[in-house]
Amino acid sequence: DAGVIQSPRHEVTEMGQEVTLRCKPISGHNSLFWYRQTMMRGLELLIYFNNNVPIDDSGMPEDRFSAKMPNASFSTLKIQPSEPRDSAVYFCASSPDGSYEQYFGPGTRLTVT
Amino acid sequence: QQQVKQSPQSLIVQKGGISIINCAYENTAFDYFPWYQQFPGKGPALLIAIRPDVSEKKEGRFTISFNKSAKQFSLHIMDSQPGDSATYFCAANQAGTALIFGKGTTLSVSS
Repeated sequence: DAGVIQSPRHEVTEMGQEVTLRCKPISGHNSLFWYRQTMMRGLELLIYFNNNVPIDDSGMPEDRFSAKMPNASFSTLKIQPSEPRDSAVYFCASSPDGSYEQYFGPGTRLTVT
Repeated sequence: QQQVKQSPQSLIVQKGGISIINCAYENTAFDYFPWYQQFPGKGPALLIAIRPDVSEKKEGRFTISFNKSAKQFSLHIMDSQPGDSATYFCAANQAGTALIFGKGTTLSVSS
């Protein structure tokens, strides 16, 4: 099993640019979570999907952030326009249906200059 | 509102010693309490977890102690090793919901 796959692993962009982060969950997992990790706020949920449907997006900071899950094997998190305060590590995690366990990907380190 | 409070923020333990990290939660609806281990540049990895119907769970050198009445749980690492040096996060959630994480504890095990 390849685990949760995220790309890119590192992204450096200038303020105002669009950024797209990608995630492939573990095959067969029905739930997908996007978390953000910063020194100040720790690990926080941005949004999560169940069976490709967004269930809780209360953690999405503002309209600049959007997330999609067009099918069971792919999700994107888009930031447009990006700002320096978006600099963080973004993690994707997946979970089998009905399970509490969540499995994290390696993360994408985003730096906005 | 921080729903899961974790302490200490950092911990230094000698090789062979016991590492203890504590967490307290507020939401009595939580029914799953995992601990994650994170190495630099890696994603959090599930280490051990407990449900509130038991007071203790042990897996190898790692033990979770759970006190439902006090709304507290802790991670004990016995015979701590340099390879255990990492950041540890407690978390809590209900079925089918996102994890609420503590702020993390950076453990350093000196050899």
